[in-house]
Amino acid sequence: DAKTTQPTSMDCAEGRAANLPCNHSTISGNEYVYWYRQIHSQGPQYIIHGLKNNETNEMASLIITEDRKSSTLILPHATLRDTAVYYCMGSWKGGATNKLIFGTGTLLAVQP
Amino acid sequence: NAGVMQNPRHLVRRRGQEARLRCSPMKGHSHVYWYRQLPEEGLKFMVYLQKENIIDESGMPKERFSAEFPKEGPSILRIQQVVRGDSAAYFCASATQETQYFGPGTRLLVL
Repeated sequence: DAKTTQPTSMDCAEGRAANLPCNHSTISGNEYVYWYRQIHSQGPQYIIHGLKNNETNEMASLIITEDRKSSTLILPHATLRDTAVYYCMGSWKGGATNKLIFGTGTLLAVQP
Repeated sequence: NAGVMQNPRHLVRRRGQEARLRCSPMKGHSHVYWYRQLPEEGLKFMVYLQKENIIDESGMPKERFSAEFPKEGPSILRIQQVVRGDSAAYFCASATQETQYFGPGTRLLVL
């Protein structure tokens, strides 16, 4: 499983885009980049995942560099409810086991 | 988190008692994962089960902890003879081949 590095915390103004970086220089060719978030002790919430191409869904966009050593999660219009700890992880898709290795994540504080 | 159910949401036990945590996966999901989150720490993988099979228990403590996912009914995480260090939030996730979806967790407090 890839080791990931994220900033400990970030601030973002409400209504602005939040760009959360993640370094995963040891990610292997078949590992996907997954993003989850945890809002104040709730269960982690799946956000998005990708392999090589950029991905977008109703929650966020995921930009993965061409060399796959880093990625950025983009929340296009952050709201106060997006305040949470955001986790970036490398994980195999499918297979016999797909356990997630949670690091320390980034605490995103959205400011009014 | 929609669809994955855990109960109880809060559980208080005295040292030496047993704790049983239940997880009902999303409809149609046959893969269940259990994670533990100690206070002020990140989530740690405990065990991965499919129906009637334990696939990976590499994260389970060697003693007092067990898990099952029977053919019928919820997955159960069982902690025997609880100690104060077992106080934590326990999350289960049910999974498709691509993604895990987490339940709201059970918060265990051992007095």
